[in-house]
Amino acid sequence: AQTVTQSQPEMSVQEAETVTLSCTYDTSESNYYLFWYKQPPSRQMILVIRQEAYKQQNATENRFSVNFQKAAKSFSLKISDSQLGDTAMYFCALPVEETSGSRLTFGEGTQLTVNP
Amino acid sequence: DGGITQSPKYLFRKEGQNVTLSCEQNLNHDAMYWYRQDPGQGLRLIYYSQIVNDFQKGDIAEGYSVSREKKESFPLTVTSAQKNPTAFYLCASSFRRIGYTFGSGTRLTVV
Repeated sequence: AQTVTQSQPEMSVQEAETVTLSCTYDTSESNYYLFWYKQPPSRQMILVIRQEAYKQQNATENRFSVNFQKAAKSFSLKISDSQLGDTAMYFCALPVEETSGSRLTFGEGTQLTVNP
Repeated sequence: DGGITQSPKYLFRKEGQNVTLSCEQNLNHDAMYWYRQDPGQGLRLIYYSQIVNDFQKGDIAEGYSVSREKKESFPLTVTSAQKNPTAFYLCASSFRRIGYTFGSGTRLTVV
């Protein structure tokens, strides 16, 4: 089975500090994408960052970066210089290919709170 | 601008009543999805569709139905068979597995 696991239900960080959210996954595919989504209190799902498995270089988007360890099937998200607006639920997600088509599978989520 | 429109934003359902949630996209994406989210929890897949006139059950399809008569539209009906429909519902579309776009959601409450 292809699964996504986030082992940290809640995390908190002080404003301007750095925090890392963990994600592990399991897949039998050799080429795939991985995503981190942010869901603020508005509940809109916002794409934070995307990683292509065949690329060795870790993806970065401004203050957000990932540590992608393909062999270990680990995909952690690092948020630098945390801001109050980063307070949200964060989901790790993996597209899973099935005979009937592809579907996006999510982890359980990590609630991040940035404290002033 | 291209995107996904879900309506209504809030919906109230009486016991035994069927209700339909709308999802429209103008991104020209082939695949569309419906997810359910309960408070403090992750997203669970209800139904998905890769092409017009074809759709597959997700993990929690019981009590729900969908149709895909047009590429742009993927409405979800919550039937009276769904015993606990109060939740937040998110629609999404995708271009292959490269990018997924989400609507702003519908909050359904049973009254």
